[in-house]
Amino acid sequence: GEDVEQSLFLSVREGDSSVINCTYTDSSSTYLYWYKQEPGAGLQLLTYIFSNMDMKQDQRLTVLLNKKDKHLSLRIADTQTGDSAIYFCAEDNQGGKLIFGQGTELSVKP
Amino acid sequence: GAGVSQSPSNKVTEKGKDVELRCDPISGHTALYWYRQSLGQGLEFLIYFQGNSAPDKSGLPSDRFSAERTGGSVSTLTIQRTQQEDSAVYLCASSLTRATYEQYFGPGTRLTVT
Repeated sequence: GEDVEQSLFLSVREGDSSVINCTYTDSSSTYLYWYKQEPGAGLQLLTYIFSNMDMKQDQRLTVLLNKKDKHLSLRIADTQTGDSAIYFCAEDNQGGKLIFGQGTELSVKP
Repeated sequence: GAGVSQSPSNKVTEKGKDVELRCDPISGHTALYWYRQSLGQGLEFLIYFQGNSAPDKSGLPSDRFSAERTGGSVSTLTIQRTQQEDSAVYLCASSLTRATYEQYFGPGTRLTVT
């Protein structure tokens, strides 16, 4: 069945790198996503990776995909207090129907 | 340009009443999705519409839930005989097509059933 797992909390100091991890079960997923949700706000797509890629870099964000282990990670370089939010990974294997993880709450301390 | 809008932003209703939640997708987007976010269940897919095709209703939790999309644009999610476990934030998203990777989410409707 479909299942996406994430750790629930991560705390880092401002300026450090943050790494948020995610595992998924459906190897037929075509796209994998990272979404950000700030308090009281909707979901914002941060970045995505196609399943035939190993890595994608977008400014301070680096996504790593290990298809063998079904493991996805999001690295945020030089983490700022404005990065404090809940981060969701999601898989998409049916042309748009997203399966989300539980979300990782990132707390950035000054 | 305008993003996805949802109304109302908050809705408090009594158990047993029916509620209607509205979603206005981004103009020109043919795919529209409903999700539910609750403390116990996280973010769950409910239903999606793609153009004139039959909707995928596989995520609807019970037959008290239904949705329609009129004229390929505005969508209404209806919950009949609401129960306390229906309390959640209902999120709507749209994308250019079903296969387009980016879904744009609205701010959500927070439903509280008392």
